[in-house]
Amino acid sequence: QVQLVESGGGVVQPGGSLRLSCAASGVTFSGYGMHWVRQAPDKGLEWVAFIRYDGSNKYYADSVKGRFTISRDNSRNTLYLQMNSLRAEDTAVYYCAKDLLVLVPAAMWGQGTLVTVSS
Amino acid sequence: QTVVTQEPSLTVSPGGTVTLTCASSTGAVTSGHYPNWFLQKPGQVPRALIYSTSNKHSWTPARFSGSLLGGKAALTLSDVQPEDEAEYYCLLYYGGAWVFGGGTKLTVL
Repeated sequence: QVQLVESGGGVVQPGGSLRLSCAASGVTFSGYGMHWVRQAPDKGLEWVAFIRYDGSNKYYADSVKGRFTISRDNSRNTLYLQMNSLRAEDTAVYYCAKDLLVLVPAAMWGQGTLVTVSS
Repeated sequence: QTVVTQEPSLTVSPGGTVTLTCASSTGAVTSGHYPNWFLQKPGQVPRALIYSTSNKHSWTPARFSGSLLGGKAALTLSDVQPEDEAEYYCLLYYGGAWVFGGGTKLTVL
């Protein structure tokens, strides 16, 4: 059974940094593209970033470009999101999500981890 | 800044049919946007329903269908059930990046 488990969320001050992880099990992790999607409190979904199965291509939402970095370690079946220069508007639940196929995004989701940016 | 627009809210009666739409600020939505649809119930993780315009996931009920309609992506729910009450999101592809719509709150009553 495929499982995605996010970790690393917490409270951080504006301007601070945080690294999120997403551990995958029950799947050949290295074969799939992966996304980060976030949801601010009582708001809609916002796509954040995508990384190809082999890490060769990465794409970002304009709102996080230059501040966030998506990466993966296929030997550890783990996806990461390094978040720098955090702002109050980055406060959200962050989900990792796995592609089903190329260009079939986010077929499977983790439970999410909450990031709160506050002084 | 690309904006994807959905109806903020819709109401449908049980057993009825409703169509939700998804428009792009860049112009007509085409199959090249690989339209996806997701639903999310309060307190739950989003769940994928439709990919590449009209393809159902293995877990998607038959009463859900996707299409292109008048330059927009569309999600049609037939024989609506009370449990279909949820927030529905579309997701469009823009050459590497993806953008979610703002969501449609579907009320069944």
